[in-house]
Amino acid sequence: GENVEQHPSTLSVQEGDSAVIKCTYSDSASNYFPWYKQELGKRPQLIIDIRSNVGEKKDQRIAVTLNKTAKHFSLHITETQPEDSAVYFCAPASGGSYIPTFGRGTSLIVHP
Amino acid sequence: SQTIHQWPATLVQPVGSPLSLECTVEGTSNPNLYWYRQAAGRGLQLLFYSVGIGQISSEVPQNLSASRPQDRQFILSSKKLLLSDSGFYLCAWSVGGSGYTFGSGTRLTVV
Repeated sequence: GENVEQHPSTLSVQEGDSAVIKCTYSDSASNYFPWYKQELGKRPQLIIDIRSNVGEKKDQRIAVTLNKTAKHFSLHITETQPEDSAVYFCAPASGGSYIPTFGRGTSLIVHP
Repeated sequence: SQTIHQWPATLVQPVGSPLSLECTVEGTSNPNLYWYRQAAGRGLQLLFYSVGIGQISSEVPQNLSASRPQDRQFILSSKKLLLSDSGFYLCAWSVGGSGYTFGSGTRLTVV
């Protein structure tokens, strides 16, 4: 099965700094690469995703970059704000049935 | 627009009691449906998924079961709860290889 690793497991930054979370995967057939944000006590929510035919996607302060050769994709958050504090999960998937493998999560803490 | 309903939000049940959690989806047809459990910490464990009515795939052998009696209804059940069944249960749906939309979750405490 797919082996997914996220790094770092915890990331602490000052408000206004940038944050980068990396996700590595093992299945070369993976073709869908989403990131989810889960605030404390709430459900995970899809915040950005990318497909294998695209190298980068941006949505305001967040972006996802994909390196299929190296089998990793990263979440970039610029100008971090305290409300960005949450656990972030990557969940690469392949095929139309979409059974993703979730990473173990990265706890992002943004200090005011 | 598509919405997902999951209930109850919280539940405290004694060991050995039965369980029934329900999830319904609106605004879409033939979704893929999933049940996840999130224990203390933050990992998401896939329990069951369904690609159609009556079609259930189990990822983890345990004392839980799932059923899909209607296209947009997914039920998680247990005949006898264990202490280890405590956790945050999340229902989710997806269509056509897109990302998940999660329900609001049920926090189950088995005492």
